[in-house]
Amino acid sequence: GDSVTQTEGLVTVTEGLPVKLNCTYQTTYLTIAFFWYVQYLNEAPQVLLKSSTDNKRTEHQGFHATLHKSSSSFHLQKSSAQLSDSALYYCAGGDSNNRIFFGDGTQLVVKP
Amino acid sequence: NAGVIQTPRHKVTGKGQEATLWCEPISGHSAVFWYRQTIVQGLEFLTYFRNQAPIDDSGMPKERFSAQMPNQSHSTLKIQSTQPQDSAVYLCASSFGTGGAMAEQFFGPGTRLTVL
Repeated sequence: GDSVTQTEGLVTVTEGLPVKLNCTYQTTYLTIAFFWYVQYLNEAPQVLLKSSTDNKRTEHQGFHATLHKSSSSFHLQKSSAQLSDSALYYCAGGDSNNRIFFGDGTQLVVKP
Repeated sequence: NAGVIQTPRHKVTGKGQEATLWCEPISGHSAVFWYRQTIVQGLEFLTYFRNQAPIDDSGMPKERFSAQMPNQSHSTLKIQSTQPQDSAVYLCASSFGTGGAMAEQFFGPGTRLTVL
């Protein structure tokens, strides 16, 4: 079945340094969309980025990600992490067969 | 615009009691999703509806859990004979348009269920 793998449960980075959160997936469907959701402490998840186009970079709030169907990846990156980026990040996918699949989440901690 | 509304925000039940959680999607949204979130398991997909019809309930526990969407303005998640392991934050989300699983979801604040 469809699945998403987020390899890191916890990522710690120093403020101002780059950060990358990994996301890879398995699906048999070619028509797919992928998302990064961010969940701040005591808040609900909210969408950060979305993509359904192969090899097209999408950006929001300084974060960017590119869906690479050839490598089944949708990694999240930011060139300069901010203290306010500390949160739980979920990579999620949806396919044309109406299946939804979430990764286990990566806790990002940005230290001064 | 109001976001997704979930009631109650907190619910405490005794073991064996029934719990009903309510979700009001954003007006005009055609799909409603239910999730369960715990520290240990993370975010678990339960079920979803589109245009009030059940589309995928693959994440729903086979016993004691049921979900309905009697009209486009609300959905309910019912847990019968609650057990301590049902304690979690239950999140409802909605999405717009015909994208279904491929559309971005807007989450409500969640209902924190505590089973004593």
